[in-house]
Amino acid sequence: RKEVEQDPGPFNVPEGATVAFNCTYSNSASQSFFWYRQDCRKEPKLLMSVYSSGNEDGRFTAQLNRASQYISLLIRDSKLSDSATYLCVVNTGSNYQLIWGAGTKLIIKP
Amino acid sequence: DAEITQSPRHKITETGRQVTLACHQTWNHNNMFWYRQDLGHGLRLIHYSYGVQDTNKGEVSDGYSVSRSNTEDLPLTLESAASSQTSVYFCASSEDSRVYNEQFFGPGTRLTVL
Repeated sequence: RKEVEQDPGPFNVPEGATVAFNCTYSNSASQSFFWYRQDCRKEPKLLMSVYSSGNEDGRFTAQLNRASQYISLLIRDSKLSDSATYLCVVNTGSNYQLIWGAGTKLIIKP
Repeated sequence: DAEITQSPRHKITETGRQVTLACHQTWNHNNMFWYRQDLGHGLRLIHYSYGVQDTNKGEVSDGYSVSRSNTEDLPLTLESAASSQTSVYFCASSEDSRVYNEQFFGPGTRLTVL
């Protein structure tokens, strides 16, 4: 089993719709969680950190469920510019290393 | 503005050749990382460094080496390039913080080994 698993997609979603995807992690000792965004052939960039209480940044909401060991990302009122691959990232806290999921590809259609 | 750069951006080489990929950051971060990214896989850690003269092996370190002689640079060397090392390589850096450890990435190097 991979340490961090994501549905690779693609998720094809009409503009304006709400989309959500999850990511599961295997290490119960994981302490920090992040969503990164990666555009085609570009470097990953931090989208948002995921806090225990859940957090929101504009149209984006991230949730953490420690009991079931997954994090989620919800995108409301999706825009064409949201088309990208979303990478789930986990840190176990023992060092500065991050464990990366393979990513979920999102395509927003007009 | 602080940044992280990689060179070359694209490289084609032949099996058996030694190749060095450069990574330079102006964030003044102690932590630096090299990853490779292949279809169907997440970013996989090759080597990392927590400061000058410190280097550590990551998940997929075989066939690669790094050296850290200053804060700004972490060059990655493929000692004898193999076709399996055809990939996109990303360099990243981060602060010394277990709480806030966002990694900042360079633009990547696309390496093809023929």
